[in-house]
Amino acid sequence: DVKVTQSSRYLVKRTGEKVFLECVQDMDHENMFWYRQDPGLGLRLIYFSYDVKMKEKGDIPEGYSVSREKKERFSLILESASTNQTSMYLCASRSPAQGVNTEAFFGQGTRLTVV
Amino acid sequence: GENVEQHPSTLSVQEGDSAVIKCTYSDSASNYFPWYKQELGKRPQLIIDIRSNVGEKKDQRIAVTLNKTAKHFSLHITETQPEDSAVYFCAASRGSSASKIIFGSGTRLSIRP
Repeated sequence: DVKVTQSSRYLVKRTGEKVFLECVQDMDHENMFWYRQDPGLGLRLIYFSYDVKMKEKGDIPEGYSVSREKKERFSLILESASTNQTSMYLCASRSPAQGVNTEAFFGQGTRLTVV
Repeated sequence: GENVEQHPSTLSVQEGDSAVIKCTYSDSASNYFPWYKQELGKRPQLIIDIRSNVGEKKDQRIAVTLNKTAKHFSLHITETQPEDSAVYFCAASRGSSASKIIFGSGTRLSIRP
């Protein structure tokens, strides 16, 4: 069974704090993703990493950065948390097989509240 | 940039009836189209996917159709059951190992008993 684990299920942070959301996968997947889920807006891509130390911006990267120093771990960083970053954050990973896209597996999500 | 539009945003059907959810995509280079189901409080999980070299795929009560010319794809659920109640997301992705997955905005499906 593929396991994608996010470090926290619920998190409450203060405005202006630096926040780290961690995601670990145990299946040696090359691709990892961070999405934010808001009602009526679906899953919006924040950042994407297609391999170690490689990253690409998604649709809404402003206010976020990422780190992928090891293949199994992909971190999302909120440089200075703001209330409009209150949301559900979902991490996902997948392993493209010979350039063919395959299923992505999701973590359980982190519900972040910024007060 | 790439965009996936999904309709309707909410759908209520009588148990036993069919449900159809439609998506359109903007990136003509997309060739992989997965559908995910997210039950309340749970993570999204893949229920079916289709690649651009086929027009239709079925798995028991679930089917997906793809029209590459029109850049449309649809999810069909027949003989709906209470456990089909969930949020469904369509997505599109290009065929390379460094491709993003772009999701639609989701459809909340409710099955009326």
